[in-house]
Amino acid sequence: DTEVTQTPKHLVMGMTNKKSLKCEQHMGHRAMYWYKQKAKKPPELMFVYSYEKLSINESVPSRFSPECPNSSLLNLHLHALQPEDSALYLCASSQENYGYTFGSGTRLTVV
Amino acid sequence: KQEVTQIPAALSVPEGENLVLNCSFTDSAIYNLQWFRQDPGKGLTSLLLIQSSQREQTSGRLNASLDKSSGRSTLYIAASQPGDSATYLCAVTGGAQKLVFGQGTRLTINP
Repeated sequence: DTEVTQTPKHLVMGMTNKKSLKCEQHMGHRAMYWYKQKAKKPPELMFVYSYEKLSINESVPSRFSPECPNSSLLNLHLHALQPEDSALYLCASSQENYGYTFGSGTRLTVV
Repeated sequence: KQEVTQIPAALSVPEGENLVLNCSFTDSAIYNLQWFRQDPGKGLTSLLLIQSSQREQTSGRLNASLDKSSGRSTLYIAASQPGDSATYLCAVTGGAQKLVFGQGTRLTINP
């Protein structure tokens, strides 16, 4: 298995909702990432997990809460989001000398 | 701070042409350089990974080169096809598990 799987592919949520994005990989990669991408811009790093521990938080607002239940799974919990949080959310994993593998993303719309 | 620049920002060529996309980076202390392709609204697909000790990588009609000393990489696409139309992103990995992206080149291949 050489893929990163993200669910759901599309999500519409209200500003008072709580939802979660899920990411799964079975390549044995020990680093996993969340990125946010706005239209016509490159992805922006949000969080890095290394060996299931949060190693980087790029000053992301607390309404985004990451979780790494095990070495294959990564979640992003969403609460009280704003319309400007609407974006494509990408999950990725990596292993030294093997580069990064990205998922197909979740298109999030906050209404 | 590492900065990655891609030139041109957009490129439109007729089908069948060979073309070159350029990427430059400011800090030569990189581990890897990776070229990605992104179709509108989709995730990133890895095209080629060049490790810091390598000079080039090839996959099918694609060839990527790396010159660390000058801080440059090129992606050569031979015999372009309409299906090659996409945004191409160059990214470098330095320390701290951070992938630094360029702004991308939007490529259009006209039939």
